[in-house]
Amino acid sequence: GQQVMQIPQYQHVQEGEDFTTYCNSSTTLSNIQWYKQRPGGHPVFLIQLVKSGEVKKQKRLTFQFGEAKKNSSLHITATQTTDVGTYFCAGPDNNAGNMLTFGGGTRLMVKP
Amino acid sequence: DSGVTQTPKHLITATGQRVTLRCSPRSGDLSVYWYQQSLDQGLQFLIQYYNGEERAKGNILERFSAQQFPDLHSELNLSSLELGDSALYFCASSVSHRRENTEAFFGQGTRLTVV
Repeated sequence: GQQVMQIPQYQHVQEGEDFTTYCNSSTTLSNIQWYKQRPGGHPVFLIQLVKSGEVKKQKRLTFQFGEAKKNSSLHITATQTTDVGTYFCAGPDNNAGNMLTFGGGTRLMVKP
Repeated sequence: DSGVTQTPKHLITATGQRVTLRCSPRSGDLSVYWYQQSLDQGLQFLIQYYNGEERAKGNILERFSAQQFPDLHSELNLSSLELGDSALYFCASSVSHRRENTEAFFGQGTRLTVV
């Protein structure tokens, strides 16, 4: 079945530094979604990318969808302590009812 | 508030027991997913229902089962519980099973502890 990998698994940064997490799928995705899970919380939808090469921005967050629609990245500029959490990418599995397959997540820790 | 309600929030039970986790999806959402998240782990897909029918199955143990009722709420039944079943169980819902409508809204989760 479809596999979605994310790197790195963990990332420690100093507040103000940039952060990037990368997501790779074993299959071409119709769309890629990003979620954030705060410590002790539940995953919350951030954004969905649909088009090849698409780039979307949300304040300090920049999301990219690869040209081949098999990879994606999330970049955070000038991290803040409020960015702490685990970031997951997810893609619908076309061969399995479009159920969302999640990457393993990248846990971001920010030192003030 | 995502609009997805899960009960109970916490559950402590003994090995060998059976429990039922309940999920009410967002109003209008027909698709319900169940995920298991062990400590510091990712989200492991268990099962998906769409409008009462099983749509997709992940690595769900035979001891686990689920169903979606006519009012669209779903229940996840876990039986013959083992210590390793201790985890956070999330329910999520989406508008449909169509790939363009798979944005998922998660409930707060049920934290299951098996002792």
